[in-house]
Amino acid sequence: GNSVTQMEGPVTLSEEAFLTINCTYTATGYPSLFWYVQYPGEGLQLLLKATKADDKGSNKGFEATYRKETTSFHLEKGSVQVSDSAVYFCALRGSSASKIIFGSGTRLSIRP
Amino acid sequence: DGGITQSPKYLFRKEGQNVTLSCEQNLNHDAMYWYRQDPGQGLRLIYYSQIVNDFQKGDIAEGYSVSREKKESFPLTVTSAQKNPTAFYLCASSRPAAGTGTDTQYFGPGTRLTVL
Repeated sequence: GNSVTQMEGPVTLSEEAFLTINCTYTATGYPSLFWYVQYPGEGLQLLLKATKADDKGSNKGFEATYRKETTSFHLEKGSVQVSDSAVYFCALRGSSASKIIFGSGTRLSIRP
Repeated sequence: DGGITQSPKYLFRKEGQNVTLSCEQNLNHDAMYWYRQDPGQGLRLIYYSQIVNDFQKGDIAEGYSVSREKKESFPLTVTSAQKNPTAFYLCASSRPAAGTGTDTQYFGPGTRLTVL
């Protein structure tokens, strides 16, 4: 079945550091891929998405590229800020499914 | 503004009591979902509904029940049969887009349920 594996946290970085959070997936066909962000005490917000191979999703300085050859969708940001501290979830939706499969989440903490 | 509302934000329940969590959306989405999130863990799907008057069990449906009498509303009842109900509950909705793989789920702010 479909599954998502993302790097375990917590990840702690200094402000202005480069961020990578790894995400790999297993799926048949051509799934859509998502990154969601959850700030403390809140629901999830869509950060970015990509719907086909080689697509790059981007938002608020974050980027992720849909790599079918490596079944990956790694999240990157060139210079993180304290306000980026949150939990990040990688997710996929199969091409014929209505359910989204979420990874276990990666907690990110940014030091001033 | 369009969005998803969940109420209440915090809910306390005594053991043995049923409790109902509200979820309302005005996005005109056909599909709605309930997830449970435990501390430090990801989301687990409880129930989902693709159209009015129809719903399916997710991965952890035992001890929960839902109804979908209106497109806008998808209440979740946590019954006394749920042995460990203390958790953060998230409701989501999406357009139907079945077969296209492109619909995005939008989430409410969540309800934190604590059993006393």
